[in-house]
Amino acid sequence: DTGVSQDPRHKITKRGQNVTFRCDPISEHNRLYWYRQTLGQGPEFLTYFQNEAQLEKSRLLSDRFSAERPKGSFSTLEIQRTEQGDSAMYLCASSPESGGETQYFGPGTRLLVL
Amino acid sequence: AQKVTQAQTEISVVEKEDVTLDCVYETRDTTYYLFWYKQPPSGELVFLIRRNSFDEQNEISGRYSWNFQKSTSSFNFTITASQVVDSAVYFCALSETGANNLFFGTGTRLTVIP
Repeated sequence: DTGVSQDPRHKITKRGQNVTFRCDPISEHNRLYWYRQTLGQGPEFLTYFQNEAQLEKSRLLSDRFSAERPKGSFSTLEIQRTEQGDSAMYLCASSPESGGETQYFGPGTRLLVL
Repeated sequence: AQKVTQAQTEISVVEKEDVTLDCVYETRDTTYYLFWYKQPPSGELVFLIRRNSFDEQNEISGRYSWNFQKSTSSFNFTITASQVVDSAVYFCALSETGANNLFFGTGTRLTVIP
């Protein structure tokens, strides 16, 4: 399978704990995106990487959130001191280039903060 | 400012009926891209179509067809002879020139009843 993969698929954590999610994009794609989707809503953009450079962050990405893509391949999204409001589906996508190129999504990581 | 409106929150049809999902968008750009994605219960967003703002030709792919009308800022999606496997949430999305993210509508949940 050469699609976008994400790990874990599900995560349950207690409020205040840190969590980290991983995304492996399609191998030839140099663009990687993170989105968050809450119940009944469409995905909302969090951040985007071109190769290893994080080039854009939305206002949704608070100081407790950090994303990395150290070698321009896989990416991690860490949430520190989780809050109940962080409960959502976290989706990763990749594309060969921006400016309208299609973004292909992974299966997502569903986070529940108790 | 960009905006995508999917006014139909939920639609139910009986198998083999045709169904049209509406999408209305707002953008100040003259060059932009429109997308439709399908999100089945598994959660993964599946890409269906991308349309450039300069290409107003309608497109048909099997039982799926798309009607793009710039005059009314609409990009509607029709499923002909619906099947139970079409049951999912469908999202319309917009990407503006130079933007790195997709801007999604709130989705339409389609239920096809056998």
